[in-house]
Amino acid sequence: NAGVTQTPKFRVLKTGQSMTLLCAQDMNHEYMYWYRQDPGMGLRLIHYSVGEGTTAKGEVPDGYNVSRLKKQNFLLGLESAAPSQTSVYFCASRAGDTQYFGPGTRLTVL
Amino acid sequence: EDQVTQSPEALRLQEGESSSLNCSYTVSGLRGLFWYRQDPGKGPEFLFTLYSAGEEKEKERLKATLTKKESFLHITAPKPEDSATYLCAVQSVRSYIPTFGRGTSLIVHP
Repeated sequence: NAGVTQTPKFRVLKTGQSMTLLCAQDMNHEYMYWYRQDPGMGLRLIHYSVGEGTTAKGEVPDGYNVSRLKKQNFLLGLESAAPSQTSVYFCASRAGDTQYFGPGTRLTVL
Repeated sequence: EDQVTQSPEALRLQEGESSSLNCSYTVSGLRGLFWYRQDPGKGPEFLFTLYSAGEEKEKERLKATLTKKESFLHITAPKPEDSATYLCAVQSVRSYIPTFGRGTSLIVHP
């Protein structure tokens, strides 16, 4: 099992550009999450999904959209990137009470 | 609103010098308290889940304990490879979403 994978690992965007981050899990988990991690701020939840076709807002959803068309994939979109979205993004899936995290995507918005 | 406060923010130890990390929390009905380890440039890795006051769990040099207000992660005779950021999170019985603390950065010097 590959566990939770994230694509890409690194990305640099200019202000106003758009992009999609892909999270994939091969563990057949229902719940999936997108977090951002900033120095001194800890992990903050952006959006989450409790199953295929469902999404819900987390703590910091503004400027992001998500889709869960297939159970194994959870996509995070930035329609018009801003410098404030420079961060490390982590995806996680969940089995029982345990979250399994991906390796992260480091995004820089210039 | 669920809250998690971790202390200290950073801790430096000599190899073999035992210590404890603290996680204080407030939650309306605890479903579980979680400890994760995060190495630089990687996603958090699950360590323990504690469900009720008095519960303890151990893994190698780590032991996690839980009271009604806080959890401790005891590190016995640490080694340099124990250097990492340790994250604490709580989840209430009414939520799918854990609340994370900001973490404790541990450095163990040889």
